[in-house]
Amino acid sequence: GESVGLHLPTLSVQEGDNSIINCAYSNSASDYFIWYKQESGKGPQFIIDIRSNMDKRQGQRVTVLLNKTVKHLSLQIAATQPGDSAVYFCAEINQAGTALIFGKGTTLSVSS
Amino acid sequence: DSGVTQTPKHLITATGQRVTLRCSPRSGDLSVYWYQQSLDQGLQFLIQYYNGEERAKGNILERFSAQQFPDLHSELNLSSLELGDSALYFCASSVVFNYGYTFGSGTRLTVV
Repeated sequence: GESVGLHLPTLSVQEGDNSIINCAYSNSASDYFIWYKQESGKGPQFIIDIRSNMDKRQGQRVTVLLNKTVKHLSLQIAATQPGDSAVYFCAEINQAGTALIFGKGTTLSVSS
Repeated sequence: DSGVTQTPKHLITATGQRVTLRCSPRSGDLSVYWYQQSLDQGLQFLIQYYNGEERAKGNILERFSAQQFPDLHSELNLSSLELGDSALYFCASSVVFNYGYTFGSGTRLTVV
């Protein structure tokens, strides 16, 4: 069935390091992907998105890379800060094109 | 504040009872989506409404139902509650179908 998965459930980094969070997706027809950040007690917050006609998109301290050949998505966070500690989800449009489906998330812990 | 308002924030109820969760989308957003988040299942898509009409169903139980009213707010009704229904329930909204979801802060439902 369709699923969006993340390679690692947890990632621990030091403040100032670069973080890379990975995601494998299953729907080869999906043309839209989003990364969300969820802090404890809050709803998911949009970080950055990318369409399938792009390989890379940059935001403020974040970069999303899309490799359609191997159906892989990654989120890079530059100069990680303690405030980046959260659960990160990737999401893609489901095969029916009716909703976003989410992976189970990677918990990023940043120590200072 | 994301602009998506969910009430109540917390709800504790007994098995067998019925509850109603409410969501007000961001101003201008016509689409409303409901998601359930539990520890072992991640974010699961339940149902979507667009301008008052149901557009898509996900993994929504028959005991659950939803509707979107003319003023675009939405309600999720959960009945015959079971212990396993304890979860966070999120509402999201978007202007364009399936693009740029904004999530509310969720309702934490505890069934005892």
